[in-house]
Amino acid sequence: SQTIHQWPATLVQPVGSPLSLECTVEGTSNPNLYWYRQAAGRGLQLLFYSVGIGQISSEVPQNLSASRPQDRQFILSSKKLLLSDSGFYLCAWSGHSYQETQYFGPGTRLLVL
Amino acid sequence: GQSLEQPSEVTAVEGAIVQINCTYQTSGFYGLSWYQQHDGGAPTFLSYNALDGLEETGRFSSFLSRSDSYGYLLLQELQMKDSASYFCAVRSGGYQKVTFGIGTKLQVIP
Repeated sequence: SQTIHQWPATLVQPVGSPLSLECTVEGTSNPNLYWYRQAAGRGLQLLFYSVGIGQISSEVPQNLSASRPQDRQFILSSKKLLLSDSGFYLCAWSGHSYQETQYFGPGTRLLVL
Repeated sequence: GQSLEQPSEVTAVEGAIVQINCTYQTSGFYGLSWYQQHDGGAPTFLSYNALDGLEETGRFSSFLSRSDSYGYLLLQELQMKDSASYFCAVRSGGYQKVTFGIGTKLQVIP
């Protein structure tokens, strides 16, 4: 069966510090991978998605970046965090068909102070 | 671009039926999905509609009208554990991209 891992579960970082969140998937190969951010009580904002190694599509952020160094590894990074980067970061994977369900990891709660 | 609209909050009584609506605007529509998210948790998949009509899965049903760019999630025999946020989502463009609505927070009261 497939499993998706995210770490850390929670993170408190000062403004201006760097960030690295990691997501890995087990039990499947060549998945689509996604990063979402959810502000408290709000919807899911798509940040990045990737259809293969080294292929990253950026949707919104200016101070965030994503990388996919391995088939089942997706990393979200920032060089300098902003207060507005606080939120619940969710990684998800799906297959490549348009019918494919998205499966979400447990998420990382980030608080930038 | 893509946009989805759904009510922000709905309150319903335990044992009743509730309908959560979703309207969407998108290019290259591939289907409408619904996800459930309990407070503090990750979203989990509920249903998917690619064609017009009703799909039923236990107490939950989902409906799609492609001509109206509209769908809904129907929850029957509400239970307290159904209190959660419900998101509609569409695949669009090259269908690898998935966009979510803002979510509807459902509160089930005794």
